Amino acid sequence: GENVEQHPSTLSVQEGDSAVIKCTYSDSASNYFPWYKQELGKRPQLIIDIRSNVGEKKDQRIAVTLNKTAKHFSLHITETQPEDSAVYFCAAILTDSWGKLQFGAGTQVVVTP
Amino acid sequence: DAGVTQSPTHLIKTRGQHVTLRCSPISGHKSVSWYQQVLGQGPQFIFQYYEKEERGRGNFPDRFSARQFPNYSSELNVNALLLGDSALYLCASSATGVLNTGELFFGEGSRLTVL
Repeated sequence: GENVEQHPSTLSVQEGDSAVIKCTYSDSASNYFPWYKQELGKRPQLIIDIRSNVGEKKDQRIAVTLNKTAKHFSLHITETQPEDSAVYFCAAILTDSWGKLQFGAGTQVVVTP
Repeated sequence: DAGVTQSPTHLIKTRGQHVTLRCSPISGHKSVSWYQQVLGQGPQFIFQYYEKEERGRGNFPDRFSARQFPNYSSELNVNALLLGDSALYLCASSATGVLNTGELFFGEGSRLTVL
C-alpha cells in the first residue's frame, strides 16, 4: 500500500520568513495530494491540494509543488504569520478507486513574532 | 449549511467496554469515512462507506465495525476497548466515493479516552 513520509516533524520560523514542508510517497499511481492544517483541538482542514496532472498550484501565501518522477511534493508558506502556527499534514490517495487517504505524520509549525 | 457533525465530542471508557460514535455528513454527501488519530500522529484510515455499503477497510482488528444508515449518517463501534484505542476519532464526508473528484471534509472528532 501507499506510504507517505513527511519532514521535518517540527519547524520553527520567524514571522515573515518562509516555511517549507516536504513529503514523499511510495505508490507512483497516486494522483491526488491534499494538505491539511490542524490547529490544537480542532479538525483537519484542507488548505490546498494538487492533482497529478499539475506541477504547481498557488493560493495567496500558500503553494504546493509536485514532482511525479521523484514522488515528492512540498508545501511552501511565504510571509509566515503567527496564525500559521499549527500541525500540517500531507496526504496521498491510494491507487484503488475509493478515497482512502494515507497521511504523513505531520509537521508542527511554530511561527515566532 | 452544517458541516460534518460528530457525537459525543468527548468520552471516557474503561478497558473491555464498548463504544459507539456517531457522525452526520454534510447534506448531500453520500460517502462517510472514519479515521483514528492517535496523539502526535497523522489520521489513520479505518473505514469508508458509500451509498450504505462498505467500500474500504483499513488495518484495524475486527473489534472495529461501522455502518451507514439510509440518511447517510454513520456509526463506528469499537468492542472490548484497549488502552491503545485512546484517540481522536474523525469522521469525514465527501460528495463522491472517489476522492480524486472531490474534497474530504472532517468533523471535529470524538475524543475517546480508555482507562
